[in-house]
Parts: sequence; structure tokens; C-alpha cells
Amino acid sequence: EPEVTQTPSHQVTQMGQEVILRCVPISNHLYFYWYRQILGQKVEFLVSFYNNEISEKSEIFDDQFSVERPDGSNFTLKIRSTKLEDSAMYFCASSDDRGRDQPQHFGDGTRLSIL
Amino acid sequence: GQNIDQPTEMTATEGAIVQINCTYQTSGFNGLFWYQQHAGEAPTFLSYNVLDGLEEKGRFSSFLSRSKGYSYLLLKELQMKDSASYLCAVSLRSNDYKLSFGAGTTVTVRA
Repeated sequence: EPEVTQTPSHQVTQMGQEVILRCVPISNHLYFYWYRQILGQKVEFLVSFYNNEISEKSEIFDDQFSVERPDGSNFTLKIRSTKLEDSAMYFCASSDDRGRDQPQHFGDGTRLSIL
Repeated sequence: GQNIDQPTEMTATEGAIVQINCTYQTSGFNGLFWYQQHAGEAPTFLSYNVLDGLEEKGRFSSFLSRSKGYSYLLLKELQMKDSASYLCAVSLRSNDYKLSFGAGTTVTVRA
């Protein structure tokens, strides 16, 4: 069964450094999402992306965050200058519909640890 | 804002049945998903309800009442591997039907 893949599985970075989290969504999917989950807390929506542009973003997704689909397969999340509170599990998800009747499929996540 | 409530923890015995309730108060409700999440892993899709009523998928069933803002996930014939967190997620009628998650219910299955 096709799946969403994310790399790396774990990223350790010094505060203030830039990080890029990578995702390869399911190949025929058109809608892409990033969520994050701080340890012990709920999964939170960050941003959705369709047709090469951001469709919607949450208040968490400030100017330090950006997303890109640099080619036909990868979907990246960049955090420009990381803060301690960015430490979380980051999940990429994709859907072949706007989630209306089709589930969003999640990758295994990248655990980001900011020191 | 969005308000999605589910119990924090539940414990049940192997072979038993457990019902996880979820109540929601949201604007722009489209449908409700249930996901299973094992510790340190990704959420995996279990079920989806958009119309009122019961959806059955093997040992798992999910129910929705739109008028009451209420859903439940029913797990039957519990197995040890069902020990996990169960996430209630509301699909919102936004640009891309983003998911708004509850905090999750941790189910522990005991032998």
C-alpha cells in the first residue's frame, strides 16, 4: 500500500539554526499538510498546500515557517530560526481529495529536538 | 474556536468492548475521523462519518450524531495490540478540510 515517507526520522538542532523536514506524499495525492505534536499534547494543524501554494495556515505557522514543493515528489517544511518550543513531532499528511470523504494519510513523522 | 473533548484514559480487558466518546463544538463541521496512534508513531486512519448513524468496519465501529455534536468509536473483541491512543478529528469546511484533533484517549488493554 502506498505510504507517505518522511526524512529524517529524528533531527537534533541547535537553537537558532535552520531545519528542513522532508516528505514524499503518496504519488497521486494533490493535497498536502503539515501537522505537529508536542510531546504529550494533541496533534495541531500547521499548513495545507494545494496547486503549488499555501491554502491555509494556522497561527502557529508564522514567518519562521515556510513550505515548498521543489519537484514533483517532495514536500518540505523549513523552520528558519528554530526555537526551543519548536521541539515536537512533525507529521506530513496527504490526501487525494480535500479530506471531505477521503482520509488524510500520515507519514511516520520527524522528531525535532532543539537544544 | 474549536472544542473537541474525549476522555483522557480508558482501561479494558482483552476480549471486552470499549466505547470512546467524543463531543465537539466547531464551526464549519464537515465530518469526523477516528485515528489510532501508537506511542511514537503516526496516526493511522480507522473510520470516517459524515452522515448520522453507524459505520462498521470489522471490530471497529463509529457513530455520529451531527445534531448532538457527538461521536463514539466502539472497539470490540479487544486485543492487546489495540492498546494505543485514539484520536477524534473533526474535518472542517475550510479551504482544504484541515483536521482539528482532540487530545486523544489512551486505551490500555489488560490480559
